[in-house]
Amino acid sequence: SQTIHQWPATLVQPVGSPLSLECTVEGTSNPNLYWYRQAAGRGLQLLFYSVGIGQISSEVPQNLSASRPQDRQFILSSKKLLLSDSGFYLCAWRTGLSTDTQYFGPGTRLTVL
Amino acid sequence: AQKVTQAQTEISVVEKEDVTLDCVYETRDTTYYLFWYKQPPSGELVFLIRRNSFDEQNEISGRYSWNFQKSTSSFNFTITASQVVDSAVYFCALSEDQTGANNLFFGTGTRLTVIP
Repeated sequence: SQTIHQWPATLVQPVGSPLSLECTVEGTSNPNLYWYRQAAGRGLQLLFYSVGIGQISSEVPQNLSASRPQDRQFILSSKKLLLSDSGFYLCAWRTGLSTDTQYFGPGTRLTVL
Repeated sequence: AQKVTQAQTEISVVEKEDVTLDCVYETRDTTYYLFWYKQPPSGELVFLIRRNSFDEQNEISGRYSWNFQKSTSSFNFTITASQVVDSAVYFCALSEDQTGANNLFFGTGTRLTVIP
């Protein structure tokens, strides 16, 4: 069966510091991968998605970036965090076939101080 | 443009009561998918159901049931005999793509509190 991991689970970072969040998927090949952000008390906002290694599409202009160095690894980064980057970051995957369901990881709670 | 509206921000019910969570969507596509996810306090989004636009049959899964009506662009979710474990934020979502990225568009969620 497929599983999706995210780490770290929680993170507290000062403004201006770098960021690296990692997401890995097991049990499937060539998944579509997604990064979402959920601000406190709000819905989910799609940040990036990837349909393959090295293929990244950005949905929202921001100081964040994403990379996909391996088939089942998706990384969210920032060179300098802002206060507004605080939130709950969720990674999701789906197959590249006709199945349209996205399955989510446990999330990373980021607090920027 | 696609849009998902969950007008109920918060709902509180007493245990064993039935509760319906509303979801209204907008899309120009004739082929689309609708989803419900549950987000318990732990934060992880748990997939509950997926329904495609050509299947208007209502679905029942245990205490959960879903009512899909294309005529009113609604996909409502009912929990029968609610339990404390049902307390969570519930999200309705829409997907229009069948190929490519297949991005999900989420509503803002409904926070359900079941009081023992």
